[in-house]
Amino acid sequence: QQQVKQSPQSLIVQKGGISIINCAYENTAFDYFPWYQQFPGKGPALLIAIRPDVSEKKEGRFTISFNKSAKQFSLHIMDSQPGDSATYFCAATYTGGFKTIFGAGTRLFVKA
Amino acid sequence: DGGITQSPKYLFRKEGQNVTLSCEQNLNHDAMYWYRQDPGQGLRLIYYSQIVNDFQKGDIAEGYSVSREKKESFPLTVTSAQKNPTAFYLCASSIWTGPGNQPQHFGDGTRLSIL
Repeated sequence: QQQVKQSPQSLIVQKGGISIINCAYENTAFDYFPWYQQFPGKGPALLIAIRPDVSEKKEGRFTISFNKSAKQFSLHIMDSQPGDSATYFCAATYTGGFKTIFGAGTRLFVKA
Repeated sequence: DGGITQSPKYLFRKEGQNVTLSCEQNLNHDAMYWYRQDPGQGLRLIYYSQIVNDFQKGDIAEGYSVSREKKESFPLTVTSAQKNPTAFYLCASSIWTGPGNQPQHFGDGTRLSIL
């Protein structure tokens, strides 16, 4: 059962463009929504995270938009750079922090 | 420099053999986790532990076992009962403060293959 659905599976963006990755969840028991960035051969690293009482969070070129009523959230990468080429995972953590469910991942390639 | 160390980076298993993957953290985190990563499937939780001498099954625990004898260490054994063990295994840790959530910090993984 896929509780966090992530799209697209892969994404190619021109340097300087905007990368957008979308996620949808089903369970209302989630209350923490992190995004992780993973480079080949490495473990994921936290990029940015949001809690459901906030509709948007921005850190540098990275922005999370959160729509609680639609149970959707998205990652926007502004001014995308070749160094942003990586796999991105959205995730949702249950209230109390016992378990985190990950999306299937999006492979982003930024063309120079 | 604080972090999570996983070893070995690459591991090969023969048929019918148990293998143990090491995970050590010096972040003083209470909670530790093991995930399996397969292409196109994201990360799936195998086991997690909130405190020493206690651990819980995740979504795909069959064929795996863990122990948590020390706060810093959370080794994973892939037993011969796990029929499809080829995958990238990731260990993570986080602060456990009760209600409220903290991000997980990951090691750089162990890639396990079948000989």
